[in-house]
Amino acid sequence: DAGVIQSPRHEVTEMGQEVTLRCKPISGHNSLFWYRQTMMRGLELLIYFNNNVPIDDSGMPEDRFSAKMPNASFSTLKIQPSEPRDSAVYFCAIHQAGGAGRKDTQYFGPGTRLTVL
Amino acid sequence: SQKIEQNSEALNIQEGKTATLTCNYTNYSPAYLQWYRQDPGRGPVFLLLIRENEKEKRKERLKVTFDTTLKQSLFHITASQPADSATYLCALSLGSGGSNYKLTFGKGTLLTVNP
Repeated sequence: DAGVIQSPRHEVTEMGQEVTLRCKPISGHNSLFWYRQTMMRGLELLIYFNNNVPIDDSGMPEDRFSAKMPNASFSTLKIQPSEPRDSAVYFCAIHQAGGAGRKDTQYFGPGTRLTVL
Repeated sequence: SQKIEQNSEALNIQEGKTATLTCNYTNYSPAYLQWYRQDPGRGPVFLLLIRENEKEKRKERLKVTFDTTLKQSLFHITASQPADSATYLCALSLGSGGSNYKLTFGKGTLLTVNP
């Protein structure tokens, strides 16, 4: 977890409110991923960025979800308006290219547990 | 559509025994397959990666096999310990470079090692 910082760790909000999840990856990565995890659907990729550019957002459930990566050290995932079915754990992960033992693997943050009432 | 299945949601074994977890996939031709461990309240942690042209990979008490004909990977933990109790996820990818970094995960198998 040390390579990726996510905030907040827990978020409880009411339906209709805007929610912003934050991710601060360590330097040296090329790609950043946002995942959602639920008991029913498991770990699903929402969107990922390569060199700060969104590459594949086909997993974003609907227009209520948006993600940005203004620089290599910061990314946000926003839900507006939030709904109860958005309740899940949201993970940010990075891919580090190069280096023995690190190639082609992803490093996950601790996640944000979101509850929408 | 692409599908990844892990053989069971939960597996209970006795300490000292070998745990074997299965990952099957359909409609997919992955370049490599990875196994991750996830503890409660934490993000998945990478364990092992095996490429399509590799049959077996080992790391300490862990062993992974990859059969692209059967479209199956087996994950073994030998001499299991209670500390091995966790959820284990398999993930597939098309390979390196650009959009191929994208991973598709199975739902995981919860392993419990009883002392």
